[in-house]
Amino acid sequence: KAGVTQTPRYLIKTRGQQVTLSCSPISGHRSVSWYQQTPGQGLQFLFEYFSETQRNKGNFPGRFSGRQFSNSRSEMNVSTLELGDSALYLCASSLGGTGETQYFGPGTRLLVL
Amino acid sequence: TQLLEQSPQFLSIQEGENLTVYCNSSSVFSSLQWYRQEPGEGPVLLVTVVTGGEVKKLKRLTFQFGDARKDSSLHITAAQPGDTGLYLCADPTGGGNKLTFGTGTQLKVEL
Repeated sequence: KAGVTQTPRYLIKTRGQQVTLSCSPISGHRSVSWYQQTPGQGLQFLFEYFSETQRNKGNFPGRFSGRQFSNSRSEMNVSTLELGDSALYLCASSLGGTGETQYFGPGTRLLVL
Repeated sequence: TQLLEQSPQFLSIQEGENLTVYCNSSSVFSSLQWYRQEPGEGPVLLVTVVTGGEVKKLKRLTFQFGDARKDSSLHITAAQPGDTGLYLCADPTGGGNKLTFGTGTQLKVEL
């Protein structure tokens, strides 16, 4: 069974631009969560989608948004990029029930110049 | 939201040594998970502990949940270079599938 895939793996943007990251969950998984990982703040929860609905949201500004499609694939968007948005963005998928094992993708490394 | 403090922050040891890393909180955990993240990869779940005082073993790794469920430890016996990575504890009870991660311990095992 294929694991969680994220595209692109690396991305360079400039301040003020917007970016869209994609996550394809493990087949059959209906929950996708997104996390931001930085050296200073560690791994922080952004949001979770389940059956195309946002089920939970972390403490990030509205510039960070996401969505989930009917095939469970998910995208996250960051608008008006800031230097501090440079990070590794990870997504994780699970079957969907609460507290189930989550499987992480390798992440998208975003650098904002 | 629980604040999960891990110590030490960094650890560099020689192959064959033993080590222990800690995860502490001021609040009680309902359950706690440990993950390992290798360079270029996402975290991988190692174990979930649920009961106070619980001890779980995974080959050379021993996980312990404190009696009061406010702390946990991970002990590695005879560390190997393959154990190198970022070790993270996480609270999986934030609602839905939200994970609240600890600050992490970066482990490097050298030959």
